[in-house]
Amino acid sequence: GENVEQHPSTLSVQEGDSAVIKCTYSDSASNYFPWYKQELGKGPQLIIDIRSNVGEKKDQRIAVTLNKTAKHFSLHITETQPEDSAVYFCASGTALIFGKGTTLSVSS
Amino acid sequence: ETGVTQTPRHLVMGMTNKKSLKCEQHLGHNAMYWYKQSAKKPLELMFVYNFKEQTENNSVPSRFSPECPNSSHLFLHLHTLQPEDSALYLCASSQQTGSNQPQHFGDGTRLSIL
Repeated sequence: GENVEQHPSTLSVQEGDSAVIKCTYSDSASNYFPWYKQELGKGPQLIIDIRSNVGEKKDQRIAVTLNKTAKHFSLHITETQPEDSAVYFCASGTALIFGKGTTLSVSS
Repeated sequence: ETGVTQTPRHLVMGMTNKKSLKCEQHLGHNAMYWYKQSAKKPLELMFVYNFKEQTENNSVPSRFSPECPNSSHLFLHLHTLQPEDSALYLCASSQQTGSNQPQHFGDGTRLSIL
């Protein structure tokens, strides 16, 4: 069946550093790759997404890259701030499958 | 204002109780979803509705009964639940169904089964 693997499960960085979260997927028909941020006590919020006709997309301090040949996509956060601390989820697949999440902690 | 509102935010119930979760979206979307979120597990899709019609039921036990009276409202009726049903239940909506549609989530109902 379809599968989405997300790594790492936890990530701790110092304020100002960059953070990278990676996901691999199995469904070669996938054409939409969203990233969600979930803060404590809140639901997941879409922060950026990419479609298979582009390789990279940026929005201020966050970016997503996609390698369809290798079936992986990554979330990049630059100049991290304490408010970036949250759980991040990737998703893909013809039936949208979510990764298990990455808990990002940014310490000041 | 998330655009998707869920009530109640917290619910504690016994295994023999009957309760309902409510979701309302103010985004003009046509598709609505129920997800279950348990600790250390990926989001699990439970039900999908498109224009009030159920299009997907991911082998969910019959003790969970969804209802979608219109495109803006979605309910999840609960009865005779088990302790393993304790979780965060999330509602989401999107313009259309399909895996290439951005989904907008509510803040969930935290359900605890005694």
